[in-house]
Amino acid sequence: GAGVSQTPSNKVTEKGKYVELRCDPISGHTALYWYRQSLGQGPEFLIYFQGTGAADDSGLPNDRFFAVRPEGSVSTLKIQRTERGDSAMYLCASSSLTRKNTGELFFGEGSRLTVL
Amino acid sequence: AQRVTQPEKLLSVFKGAPVELKCNYSYSGSPELFWYVQYSRQRLQLLLRHISRESIKGFTADLNKGETSFHLKKPFAQEEDSAMYYCALRGMDSNYQLIWGAGTKLIIKP
Repeated sequence: GAGVSQTPSNKVTEKGKYVELRCDPISGHTALYWYRQSLGQGPEFLIYFQGTGAADDSGLPNDRFFAVRPEGSVSTLKIQRTERGDSAMYLCASSSLTRKNTGELFFGEGSRLTVL
Repeated sequence: AQRVTQPEKLLSVFKGAPVELKCNYSYSGSPELFWYVQYSRQRLQLLLRHISRESIKGFTADLNKGETSFHLKKPFAQEEDSAMYYCALRGMDSNYQLIWGAGTKLIIKP
């Protein structure tokens, strides 16, 4: 596709439920990032993939959060036993090997998660 | 600790007036600084990087290491500049992780 695609664009769930958020990066981009953005805040780093492996998952807030990228392209962010505090916009971004070093990230439109 | 501070949550100026969006950072080494912009109903995108020392859409930003600032400036604001602006920092020892400010909403009044 032309840009980073994220689905769903909106997700409303109940406390305690399991949620999956999907990111389809720009074709050929090896680097993929997940961010969380709360209202009035900048993006907060969650996890970074280089290819299939998670190069840095230090931003994941706790073990309820997990992300995979099994084939080095599409990534899924998984949240177990959701809590109301998980409500936020979840942003995905990708970068090519050369662009990674320039700091330019290409963002998706985000998935807005609301936990009731 | 690494930190990016954008002291203004909201900045409102008239069309044609100069604009300055403030960004201060805290970092012990040599950082790279960026400005990202998000227009209404659009995705977040890179506006400019301090390394390239370029002017994009009339905006410039100079890295001032003495004042640890990277303010974004434009001499004559246009209505289409209305957007959310984020300052971000990347340490030289990190080739992937950006530290973000909270953002400044810029409104250009006609």
